Amino acid sequence: EPEVTQTPSHQVTQMGQEVILRCVPISNHLYFYWYRQILGQKVEFLVSFYNNEISEKSEIFDDQFSVERPDGSNFTLKIRSTKLEDSAMYFCASSRQGYSPLHFGNGTRLTVT
Amino acid sequence: QQQVKQSPQSLIVQKGGIPIINCAYENTAFDYFPWYQQFPGKGPALLIAIRPDVSEKKEGRFTISFNKSAKQFSLHIMDSQPGDSATYFCAASNEVRTGANNLFFGTGTRLTVIP
Repeated sequence: EPEVTQTPSHQVTQMGQEVILRCVPISNHLYFYWYRQILGQKVEFLVSFYNNEISEKSEIFDDQFSVERPDGSNFTLKIRSTKLEDSAMYFCASSRQGYSPLHFGNGTRLTVT
Repeated sequence: QQQVKQSPQSLIVQKGGIPIINCAYENTAFDYFPWYQQFPGKGPALLIAIRPDVSEKKEGRFTISFNKSAKQFSLHIMDSQPGDSATYFCAASNEVRTGANNLFFGTGTRLTVIP
């Protein structure tokens, strides 16, 4: 069964540094998402992306965050200047259509020191 | 603002028991209510979902009950098995306005099924 793959599985960075989290969505999917889960807390929506533009974003997704689909397969989340509170598990997800089931990757654990 | 409230935080049942996980929502514009199952080290996986035009949906051993007037929905797992031990999240979205997959998640329930 096709999967959403995320790299790296764990990223450690210093406060103030830029990080890029990478995702390869399922190949015939058209909608892409980033969610995050702070340790022990609920999963939170960050942003949805369709047709090469952001379709929705949450209050969490401020100017420090950006997303990009640089080629036909990758979908990236960039955090420009990381803060301690950005430490979380970041999940990429994709769906065939906006109303189709969401498929999550296994996440990238981001640790900001 | 906590859009979706989930309880209990954790649940332990014997094999064969019927764990019930409850969720309540505030936003009456929500029109799509999925449940996700998450195993350690994995992303959430869609288990079952319901829309408010029905009061119950069954898929295999999993049943969602939905009470629109009370703004509550629950997950029942029939004949639970040790392999069902996982964290379960309810979620909700406004499919019409923002899309089904722009989800508000509950805080999760860690289920342990004892053999």
